[in-house]
Amino acid sequence: QKEVEQDPGPLSVPEGAIVSLNCTYSNSAFQYFMWYRQYSRKGPELLMYTYSSGNKEDGRFTAQVDKSSKYISLFIRDSQPSDSATYLCAMTYNFNKFYFGSGTKLNVKP
Amino acid sequence: ETGVTQTPRHLVMGMTNKKSLKCEQHLGHNAMYWYKQSAKKPLELMFVYSLEERVENNSVPSRFSPECPNSSHLFLHLHTLQPEDSALYLCASSQAVAGSNQPQHFGDGTRLSIL
Repeated sequence: QKEVEQDPGPLSVPEGAIVSLNCTYSNSAFQYFMWYRQYSRKGPELLMYTYSSGNKEDGRFTAQVDKSSKYISLFIRDSQPSDSATYLCAMTYNFNKFYFGSGTKLNVKP
Repeated sequence: ETGVTQTPRHLVMGMTNKKSLKCEQHLGHNAMYWYKQSAKKPLELMFVYSLEERVENNSVPSRFSPECPNSSHLFLHLHTLQPEDSALYLCASSQAVAGSNQPQHFGDGTRLSIL
C-alpha cells in the first residue's frame, strides 16, 4: 500500500468552478500537511501548509485535514485558467522525510 | 524566483558520460534534498543533507553521488547512467530546526535525458 494516494486526473473544470483536490494516507503519524502547485517545466511551489486537523484559508484556497479519516483536501474557489497545473500533496512527521502524492493535473477552461 | 537555483535546466548525456547537477539555495536553510520526478509517479527522495551531513540515503544506485560542501550548495554527480534514469531531478531546501520545522522549497529542476 502506498503511503499517500492521489488521483492523477486529469480534472477538467470550467472557469469559476469550485475545485476539490484530495489525498488519502495510511500513516497516522503524519502531523504536517502541504499542498504544492507545479506548472509545466517548473518545480513545485508551496501553496498551503497546515499542522494537524482543521481548516486553513488563504485567498481562494482552503486546505482541510481530517486526521480521523486520514484524508486531506484542497479547495479552489472561483477557479481561473492560471490555476491549471499539477497539484501535489505532501506530508511528514519528522521533517527528515516528506511523502508525496503522485499529483493531480487540473485544467481550468476559459 | 524560488530562492533555490538549479543548473543546468536541461542535460542530455550518453550512458558513459560523467556530469554534475548543481543546486544553490539563497534562503538561509540548513537542510537540502535531491528528488527524482518521473511521469505519473510520486517524487522519489534520493538524498537528504542536514547541516552538511547526509542523513538519508534511500537505496540510490551508486552511479548517483551527492556532495554538500556547505549549507547553500548541493551537487549530484552522475556517471554511467541508464536510460531509466531519465527524469526531472529536483533540489529542495528547508529549515529543519527543533521547534521550527518548515516545509520544503523547490528549484525548477534539471531535465535529464540519457541516450
